[in-house]
Amino acid sequence: NAGVMQNPRHLVRRRGQEARLRCSPMKGHSHVYWYRQLPEEGLKFMVYLQKENIIDESGMPKERFSAEFPKEGPSILRIQQVVRGDSAAYFCASSTTDSRNQPQHFGDGTRLSIL
Amino acid sequence: GENVEQHPSTLSVQEGDSAVIKCTYSDSASNYFPWYKQELGKRPQLIIDIRSNVGEKKDQRIAVTLNKTAKHFSLHITETQPEDSAVYFCAVPSGGSYIPTFGRGTSLIVHP
Repeated sequence: NAGVMQNPRHLVRRRGQEARLRCSPMKGHSHVYWYRQLPEEGLKFMVYLQKENIIDESGMPKERFSAEFPKEGPSILRIQQVVRGDSAAYFCASSTTDSRNQPQHFGDGTRLSIL
Repeated sequence: GENVEQHPSTLSVQEGDSAVIKCTYSDSASNYFPWYKQELGKRPQLIIDIRSNVGEKKDQRIAVTLNKTAKHFSLHITETQPEDSAVYFCAVPSGGSYIPTFGRGTSLIVHP
């Protein structure tokens, strides 16, 4: 049973470009969470999605950031017009139900570097 | 939202010693308390969790204790080994959509 798959593992973009990060949840998991992590810091929640629905996007900046989880295919975190401050590791996690009493399973993350 | 405090931020021990990491939280309705281990450059991985109907859970050298009245839970690692060196995070799901709030992490260093 493949785990949570994220790609790319590393992504380099120049300021002003777009970054697209992909996440395929574990088989049977319909809940997806995106987190951002800066070096030597904790995991900051960004957005929580179920298939075709955004459940909670309270941690995601209103400008330039968007997320989707279509009926078919992976979840996508999209950052438009990237700036240096967007450099971070972005982790995706999935679970079978919501996280009130179930663990999250994390992917290996995407390290985004902005030149 | 949930307020999660994790202490200490750094913990340095000798191989064979015990390590204890504590998290306090604010939402008394929270019922599920996981601990994650993150090695350098890798993904966070669940190592142990506890639900509010029990006060302690053990898995070999790792244990978690929960005090719901005082709203804190702790990770205990006995007979530490160098491969236990990592950052450990607690998490507390809360709020209407049960989004986990993570502690700031504890960097555990086990010296051989």
